[in-house]
Amino acid sequence: GQSLEQPSEVTAVEGAIVQINCTYQTSGFYGLSWYQQHDGGAPTFLSYNALDGLEETGRFSSFLSRSDSYGYLLLQELQMKDSASYFCAVKGNTPLVFGKGTRLSVIA
Amino acid sequence: EAQVTQNPRYLITVTGKKLTVTCSQNMNHEYMSWYRQDPGLGLRQIYYSMNVEVTDKGDVPEGYKVSRKEKRNFPLILESPSPNQTSLYFCASRGTVKNIQYFGAGTRLSVL
Repeated sequence: GQSLEQPSEVTAVEGAIVQINCTYQTSGFYGLSWYQQHDGGAPTFLSYNALDGLEETGRFSSFLSRSDSYGYLLLQELQMKDSASYFCAVKGNTPLVFGKGTRLSVIA
Repeated sequence: EAQVTQNPRYLITVTGKKLTVTCSQNMNHEYMSWYRQDPGLGLRQIYYSMNVEVTDKGDVPEGYKVSRKEKRNFPLILESPSPNQTSLYFCASRGTVKNIQYFGAGTRLSVL
């Protein structure tokens, strides 16, 4: 089957950098995605890695190591509006599976 | 504008009263799915559909039905709702580019 592990909560200071890790187990692998969800809102797509390495989109970057079944989301220059839940999701031979989410709290 | 539209946004009902939550997408996606979200449990897939007339169970299908008669629509049916189905429900459709999944705004369901 497929499973993902990510920390349940992370707290970081405004302006700092935070890394949210995700380890996964899957049969077959097509890619690792990251989604952001604000309280009361729907998840929205942030980034996708199909190959090893770093993908950068503005203040957000995502990294993948397929050999380690590991990835992370890096958020730089944290802002209060980054307070949200972040989900990693893996696409294998079965439908997209989501982790349980990491709640990020950004404090002043 | 690319959209996944689900209705209603909020619903309060009583045990045993059949209900349907509608979902429609305008992106011509073949893949659609339903999730429920409960505190601490993340997004759990209820059912998914790979194409018209092709549906399959996700992780938590008990008590739910779906149908996919048209590509754009994927309704979720609760034949006899029970209080343990009180949850936040999301419909989603997925394209082939980066496997990006687009979510509807969510339906908050309370079963009394």
